[in-house]
Amino acid sequence: DAMVIQNPRYQVTQFGKPVTLSCSQTLNHNVMYWYQQKSSQAPKLLFHYYDKDFNNEADTPDNFQSRRPNTSFCFLDIRSPGLGDAAMYLCATSGRKNEKLFFGSGTQLSVL
Amino acid sequence: AQKITQTQPGMFVQEKEAVTLDCTYDTSDQSYGLFWYKQPSSGEMIFLIYQGSYDEQNATEGRYSLNFQKARKSANLVISASQLGDSAMYFCAPRSNYKLTFGKGTLLTVNP
Repeated sequence: DAMVIQNPRYQVTQFGKPVTLSCSQTLNHNVMYWYQQKSSQAPKLLFHYYDKDFNNEADTPDNFQSRRPNTSFCFLDIRSPGLGDAAMYLCATSGRKNEKLFFGSGTQLSVL
Repeated sequence: AQKITQTQPGMFVQEKEAVTLDCTYDTSDQSYGLFWYKQPSSGEMIFLIYQGSYDEQNATEGRYSLNFQKARKSANLVISASQLGDSAMYFCAPRSNYKLTFGKGTLLTVNP
């Protein structure tokens, strides 16, 4: 019954080696989000899509990119991961404005 | 950017007692939503309760209720009859348009 699915649960990459995290949803929601959550901190919004419209947060580093090829899938690309990018990455979806967000279980990224 | 203040980094409560987690926020929007999410050590984000800015009644969901004071921009979460499984991080998160912004959170520990 999982509605927002993130794969993999754990991802290990090397310093500077590009990595892609994936998210899929079965809710047919218009909006998809990527949050970064570092240890003992609050989740921080990186960007979101409203349908195909991409909305980047002003303080999201250029190193982070995203793709949404269709309604169901959204990808987070980290072009050159640094040690500071080690974090939990949470994908979320929502439908109407001011409706609650549905979260995936997250991908824990480690950078060696 | 939205400013959200959760003044209690950590709280302790005895099992079966009630506890209040504080949240104040700063928004110039007239229409917004207020959410509380729970994040146990497993990392998943669990939706607890929602309050719309135009709702006249305080929201309730089972053991969770909101003490919403719009003029003070305050939305405190009340958990009644605490259970051991309530031990987790709790985030207050106002939503304006399509963006959900998290406070720094309160770590609640329920003691037996």
